[in-house]
Amino acid sequence: DAKTTQPNSMESNEEEPVHLPCNHSTISGTDYIHWYRQLPSQGPEYVIHGLTSNVNNRMASLAIAEDRKSSTLILHRATLRDAAVYYCILRQHFGNEKLTFGTGTRLTIIP
Amino acid sequence: EAQVTQNPRYLITVTGKKLTVTCSQNMNHEYMSWYRQDPGLGLRQIYYSMNVEVTDKGDVPEGYKVSRKEKRNFPLILESPSPNQTSLYFCASSFGESAGELFFGEGSRLTVL
Repeated sequence: DAKTTQPNSMESNEEEPVHLPCNHSTISGTDYIHWYRQLPSQGPEYVIHGLTSNVNNRMASLAIAEDRKSSTLILHRATLRDAAVYYCILRQHFGNEKLTFGTGTRLTIIP
Repeated sequence: EAQVTQNPRYLITVTGKKLTVTCSQNMNHEYMSWYRQDPGLGLRQIYYSMNVEVTDKGDVPEGYKVSRKEKRNFPLILESPSPNQTSLYFCASSFGESAGELFFGEGSRLTVL
């Protein structure tokens, strides 16, 4: 199973954009890049995923490097409710594999 | 409403007393999995299942069993719980194909005395 590397923690000011990086240098051609976040006292929730092209949804944007060895989750305007642990993982196309979440990035939002 | 339901949400038990944490999903998902979360260690996968009667070990399967007799249910069994299995447990499910998004349950906090 391919691994990802994320910073342990990041801080950002409220109402400013946040860029959360993830390295996945051993990614294979059929691996999708998924992002999840875990709010305090809750289970993880899906944020966004992509394969090669950049992706946008109502929660965030995902920017994928051309060589796919890294990606960045972008929160366009952080709010206090975005304070959470963010996990970047890789999933194979058929999604039937062992998954490694790691410890993620703890995002703190400064009012 | 699409959901993954875990029971019990909280449990205090004693060493050696067999217990089962149930997980049920109503989305017809093929893939289901169990994770434990401990401070400083993140989410670690215990077991996963690709479909009925197909299960495989994750990163930390020791001391746990699972079964997948029906598509919607994936119980986690602790035959002889020990204090080092005190943890927060999450069940998750997804469609298998196209790397579908994972849906997580609300978690089950287990304490083994």
